Amino acid sequence: DAKTTQPPSMDCAEGRAANLPCNHSTISGNEYVYWYRQIHSQGPQYIIHGLKNNETNEMASLIITEDRKSSTLILPHATLRDTAVYYCIVRVSVQGGKLIFGQGTELSVKP
Amino acid sequence: EAGVVQSPRYKIIEKKQPVAFWCNPISGHNTLYWYRQNLGQGPELLIRYENEEAVDDSQLPKDRFSAERLKGVDSTLKIQPAELGDSAVYLCASSLDRRTADTQYFGPGTRLTVL
Repeated sequence: DAKTTQPPSMDCAEGRAANLPCNHSTISGNEYVYWYRQIHSQGPQYIIHGLKNNETNEMASLIITEDRKSSTLILPHATLRDTAVYYCIVRVSVQGGKLIFGQGTELSVKP
Repeated sequence: EAGVVQSPRYKIIEKKQPVAFWCNPISGHNTLYWYRQNLGQGPELLIRYENEEAVDDSQLPKDRFSAERLKGVDSTLKIQPAELGDSAVYLCASSLDRRTADTQYFGPGTRLTVL
């Protein structure tokens, strides 16, 4: 699985969009980009995943660059409850198996 | 729909004592995972089950750790004897089927403290 690079921490004002970047320059053609988050004292929570196209669900949007070497997770209207560690993971989905978590980005949403 | 259930939520033991963690996955999920998360780090996979079969246990310290998933539903992870370095959060996750998108759903974890 390809390695990812994320900033260790970010701040965001409540109500504003939070844009979390992830670099995955060694991603392979069959590897998906997954995002999970972990709120303090809870288990990780799935947010979204994508292969090539941009994706949107009720939680967030995922923007993947055309060359697939980087992506951005967008929380359109961040709330205090979005304060968490966000993990960007790349993996071959259809093979299943483990998620390899890096250090993630600690997002702090401030009032 | 109930999520992944784990118990206990917290456990404090002295070193050299045994300890066991229990996990009940989401109903119908065939794949079950045990992860360990050290303080300040991301979770790391210990073992993965497909139904009753352990298909990836390469990261499980087999000298002191054991796991079972009888009948392909609930699972138990055991440590015997525990060491100071085993203090961590032990997370259980499940997914419907590894052949699909394989979204993993995590339980709240068991925080183990070894004194």
